[in-house]
Amino acid sequence: DAGVTQSPTHLIKTRGQHVTLRCSPISGHKSVSWYQQVLGQGPQFIFQYYEKEERGRGNFPDRFSARQFPNYSSELNVNALLLGDSALYLCASSLGSGTYQETQYFGPGTRLLVL
Amino acid sequence: SQQGEEDPQALSIQEGENATMNCSYKTSINNLQWYRQNSGRGLVHLILIRSNEREKHSGRLRVTLDTSKKSSSLLITASRAADTASYFCATVRSGTYKYIFGTGTRLKVLA
Repeated sequence: DAGVTQSPTHLIKTRGQHVTLRCSPISGHKSVSWYQQVLGQGPQFIFQYYEKEERGRGNFPDRFSARQFPNYSSELNVNALLLGDSALYLCASSLGSGTYQETQYFGPGTRLLVL
Repeated sequence: SQQGEEDPQALSIQEGENATMNCSYKTSINNLQWYRQNSGRGLVHLILIRSNEREKHSGRLRVTLDTSKKSSSLLITASRAADTASYFCATVRSGTYKYIFGTGTRLKVLA
């Protein structure tokens, strides 16, 4: 079975631009989470979606938004990019069983560089 | 700010030795998970321990959880060069689906 896939793998943008990152979960997984990982730090939780509904949100500004589609894939959108948005963006999927005891499976990430 | 803190930040050992890394967190949790990350790539899930469990084993991995001290430890026995990676703990805060990752321990296993 294919794992979590993310596109693109690398991206270079300039300040003020907008970016859309995409994620396809493992087949059968209904929950998708997004994380931002700045170099040298651990991942920071951005969003979790389950059945197209937002189930959790981290401490990120409104410039960050996401959505989940009927096929459970997801997009992360970031508007008005800042230099500080440069990071590895990770997507993770889980079964979405409704319990809190879930394992998340991570994709390889999208490396975003904002110039 | 991130909830979890790993200790030490970096660890260098010889192949065959054991590696121990610790994680502390701040609030009540549903479970605690350990992940491995190679060279800034995606994370690989290693083990999940529930809040009502005290110890768990998986192959060469042993995880303990002390909820009274809000801490966990990951022991890797008989380490190999392939274990070189960053290790993160992640907690799921009680009543939420929010995963909080620690700052990570960079492990280097020398052949």
